[in-house]
Amino acid sequence: GAVVSQHPSWVICKSGTSVKIECRSLDFQATTMFWYRQFPKQSLMLMATSNEGSKATYEQGVEKDKFLINHASLTLSTLTVTSAHPEDSSFYICSASPGTEPYEQYFGPGTRLTVT
Amino acid sequence: AQSVTQLGSHVSVSEGALVLLRCNYSSSVPPYLFWYVQYPNQGLQLLLKYTSAATLVKGINGFEAEFKKSETSFHLTKPSAHMSDAAEYFCARGSSASKIIFGSGTRLSIRP
Repeated sequence: GAVVSQHPSWVICKSGTSVKIECRSLDFQATTMFWYRQFPKQSLMLMATSNEGSKATYEQGVEKDKFLINHASLTLSTLTVTSAHPEDSSFYICSASPGTEPYEQYFGPGTRLTVT
Repeated sequence: AQSVTQLGSHVSVSEGALVLLRCNYSSSVPPYLFWYVQYPNQGLQLLLKYTSAATLVKGINGFEAEFKKSETSFHLTKPSAHMSDAAEYFCARGSSASKIIFGSGTRLSIRP
């Protein structure tokens, strides 16, 4: 149980375009979802926290107008990278929490974004 | 700032040897502590977590970690390394609003 999927697993887009990444909890309802960014050979950096039906809370330094997060249901959150640039190329990982235990997060497999 | 520090960005051991990955935390209050493993191009998998119930925590795949308050450490160990243990390992701690703060990671390589 506790499976989280991400789609797509890999995406290439041209500079200036937008790309949407989906995060789904497949077998549980996620009251909270988290979005992380990971640069090559580096740690995960939390970008934002989203609760179903409410606006996401962004970490300091993360542009909320560039990284649009929507948590429309208890099983789906989306991250849209708007007007992507090469520096946005990264590995994006989501996690989902059922909220039954403190810090209980199940991680998706990640999405590799390459902006050309 | 509350954080975790992983000593050694890369650790290499021989197959069958002891695995020791080091993690120190900074906090005046014992926090929730975690070890996660990440295989290439994949998300993270929880190995084990410390929640103050017991200082020696056993996890999956034969890993365990010991919480030592006097040393503010939470090192990860495995008695005998297997080739399949090669991966990136992250120490992490719980923070405010259910957030998890990750260390910089340690890449574990296993020599045949």
